[in-house]
Amino acid sequence: QSVLTQPPSASGTPGGQRVTISCSGSTSNVGRNNVNWYQHLPGTAPKLLIFRNNQRPSGVPNRFSGSKSGTSASLAISGLQSEDEADYYCASWDDSLNGWVFGGGTKVTVL
Amino acid sequence: QVQLKESGPGLVKPSETLSLTCTVSDYSVSSTYYWAWIRQAPGKGLEWIGSMHHSGTNYYNPSLMSRVTISVDTSRNQFSLQLTSVIAADTAVYFCARGVVRGVPGGFDSWGRGTLVTVSS
Repeated sequence: QSVLTQPPSASGTPGGQRVTISCSGSTSNVGRNNVNWYQHLPGTAPKLLIFRNNQRPSGVPNRFSGSKSGTSASLAISGLQSEDEADYYCASWDDSLNGWVFGGGTKVTVL
Repeated sequence: QVQLKESGPGLVKPSETLSLTCTVSDYSVSSTYYWAWIRQAPGKGLEWIGSMHHSGTNYYNPSLMSRVTISVDTSRNQFSLQLTSVIAADTAVYFCARGVVRGVPGGFDSWGRGTLVTVSS
């Protein structure tokens, strides 16, 4: 049972409607600390996709965007591409646990 | 471009100690960053194990704290993980990563590719 809650799956068609992944936490983590998002293709190193709720590291396409409101955060992928098929994880610092917590991950499928 | 690579035994017996090393290239472990271990059990999500600064400041996952030690070797530009009294549930792909802690913008911005450790007799 992960501290942060994500839907197990999401899907979309290439170039179609925006895909949104939610991340629900509490006042000890998302509610008071930044949220980061990671993209993970099995067998490879996870990649930092979004940091500080909505900032993209250099090289991350602008079709990826993040937002946060209260104790929830979201990752949106617009203009979905086949290479976006991966697992996506949210993470935040938890002040009660004094450490990082992750969501359970969302598998994005490109139909 | 910093590179991280995990190394260590792929098979550990139950009740023994899991030991892994992460070799860091093109970046000094004596920097302001924290050095972390994160794992992924088969079919499960990511789980943070702990983060260590070269100064000795560390943070550990409370659920693993009694069994975990992370250390940084500045002379070899490496950091290590020791997990004692392992059980089958410790079977996972173990990743090393560079990151930050509370209050510092950023996350784990560089990762190794991971190494599978199986706990079995």
